[in-house]
Amino acid sequence: AQTVTQSQPEMSVQEAETVTLSCTYDTSESNYYLFWYKQPPSRQMILVIRQEAYKQQNATENRFSVNFQKAAKSFSLKISDSQLGDTAMYFCAFMKPSNSKLTFGKGITLSVRP
Amino acid sequence: NAGVTQTPKFRVLKTGQSMTLLCAQDMNHEYMYWYRQDPGMGLRLIHYSVGEGTTAKGEVPDGYNVSRLKKQNFLLGLESAAPSQTSVYFCASSYGLADTDTQYFGPGTRLTVL
Repeated sequence: AQTVTQSQPEMSVQEAETVTLSCTYDTSESNYYLFWYKQPPSRQMILVIRQEAYKQQNATENRFSVNFQKAAKSFSLKISDSQLGDTAMYFCAFMKPSNSKLTFGKGITLSVRP
Repeated sequence: NAGVTQTPKFRVLKTGQSMTLLCAQDMNHEYMYWYRQDPGMGLRLIHYSVGEGTTAKGEVPDGYNVSRLKKQNFLLGLESAAPSQTSVYFCASSYGLADTDTQYFGPGTRLTVL
């Protein structure tokens, strides 16, 4: 079975600065997908970014980018130029293509300070 | 496009009562999922469906039943609610195809069992 670990329960960052959220996972699979989801106070789960394990290039979406280290089973999210609207809980998740089921980490609460 | 919708948004039950949560999607997705979110636990998969008329157990299925009579709808039932089922419930859907398999979430239902 897969496990996803987010060891930092909370982080805080100053507006306009950069912050990195950590995630590690454990799997014996060679092909899989990794995701970061954002959950603002509204409770809606919003997809931030997705990475396919077979791609060596790190995924980027505007101010969001990942550092995917397959050998180390690490998948961190970097948020550049942090904005107040980035304040939310962030979840790292793992998916095996064969069953399309997501395994989530416990989440990290990010606060952006003005 | 409404995306994924959930009914109701909030509900309070007494121990032993029953209820059904409705999830609807208008994206013609094959796969649908029910998760529960508890503090410090992330999201955990309750049941899922890979197509109309099919259902399967997830990580925490006990105390819940599901049905997928129509492709666009996925129902989650609690036959005899218990306080341990107090949680926020999320529905999600996806195409179920490996290269496009991203799950899209509904807004959640907050259920309290007294």
